[in-house]
Amino acid sequence: KQEVTQIPAALSVPEGENLVLNCSFTDSAIYNLQWFRQDPGKGLTSLLLIQSSQREQTSGRLNASLDKSSGRSTLYIAASQPGDSATYLCAVAPYNTDKLIFGTGTRLQVFP
Amino acid sequence: DVKVTQSSRYLVKRTGEKVFLECVQDMDHENMFWYRQDPGLGLRLIYFSYDVKMKEKGDIPEGYSVSREKKERFSLILESASTNQTSMYLCASSSGVAWGTQYFGPGTRLLVL
Repeated sequence: KQEVTQIPAALSVPEGENLVLNCSFTDSAIYNLQWFRQDPGKGLTSLLLIQSSQREQTSGRLNASLDKSSGRSTLYIAASQPGDSATYLCAVAPYNTDKLIFGTGTRLQVFP
Repeated sequence: DVKVTQSSRYLVKRTGEKVFLECVQDMDHENMFWYRQDPGLGLRLIYFSYDVKMKEKGDIPEGYSVSREKKERFSLILESASTNQTSMYLCASSSGVAWGTQYFGPGTRLLVL
């Protein structure tokens, strides 16, 4: 059974730091891996989707990598800002299912 | 921009009441999903639909039913609300394959007393 883990559960950093959020999954048979952002009390916003054949995707200050063989993905945020404060969730799309399996997220706080 | 709306942001109901949560998307997406989100458990899929009048059970369908009479609207029904259904409910939609990019609504926080 596919399991998705995100460590740490919470992270606090000063503004301007480059940071890495981690996501690990137990079964490499996936269609894709997705990263989402969730602001408190709100829905999820899609950030990046990495197909299983890709190694990374970039959007602005965000860069996500995927290593299927080791069951890991990282989300790199460059030059963090207080507006980046949110919970970041990763999700994988396992083969032969029509659903996403979510991690429990990393709550990020960027302080001025 | 894709817009997914949910009928209520906050809802308070009594045990045993029948509860309807409505979700509407405006991008002609084939696939629609209902999740619940609980602290420490993450998002769990309740039901999804890949076409009008079609529905598939997710991981935790017990105590819930769904209705999709029109492509843009997907309703979640709690037949007889219980306190353990107190949660944040999130609706999402996607186009093409179900595992493509999902677009989420703002969520409904339901409290069952």
